[in-house]
Amino acid sequence: DTGVSQNPRHKITKRGQNVTFRCDPISEHNRLYWYRQTLGQGPEFLTYFQNEAQLEKSRLLSDRFSAERPKGSFSTLEIQRTEQGDSAMYLCASSTGQGSYNSPLHFGNGTRLTVT
Amino acid sequence: DAKTTQPNSMESNEEEPVHLPCNHSTISGTDYIHWYRQLPSQGPEYVIHGLTSNVNNRMASLAIAEDRKSSTLILHRATLRDAAVYYCTTSDSWGKLQFGAGTQVVVTP
Repeated sequence: DTGVSQNPRHKITKRGQNVTFRCDPISEHNRLYWYRQTLGQGPEFLTYFQNEAQLEKSRLLSDRFSAERPKGSFSTLEIQRTEQGDSAMYLCASSTGQGSYNSPLHFGNGTRLTVT
Repeated sequence: DAKTTQPNSMESNEEEPVHLPCNHSTISGTDYIHWYRQLPSQGPEYVIHGLTSNVNNRMASLAIAEDRKSSTLILHRATLRDAAVYYCTTSDSWGKLQFGAGTQVVVTP
């Protein structure tokens, strides 16, 4: 179990640029979640996948945000035309999603985005 | 989605027990209660979860009120490594967690 891996750890970009983050979940975890966290706040849910299917998107996720999980393995989160308000820590988590639905989430250490 | 309410911060002496309260009065009958903790520059770490009965594991104990509208996380002997932000969350049928602002736990030697 190597844990959930997120890359890059830090990203600095200029307003208006596009950025893409990658998440590699724990092997054989069916469910993958994206959260966003700003300073002093708890993580906010963005979206999640069951295998390759994106099942829910938060109202927080504007049209500039898109997430994919091809083949149900790794996932990418893309932000187009970044704004300063997008500056945050982007967290990825995965879970087994099998059997009962209460399996714990395993979080990565996040990608910190700074938009200048 | 159930909203959780926690105190902003709590302080404890090392090797003393810590009781962290959480209110989740709007929780639905099928939602689980989860607790996570987070150290600076790290992602949240799972601590414990439960539905109706009290739960124990190597990290902590979870006491759930009979009406499920509140719960308490118990750290039996706080260590300096337990200093973190502790989040009480609820989990829907798809495992989606709704986090509040959490409780900052400070442990003094």
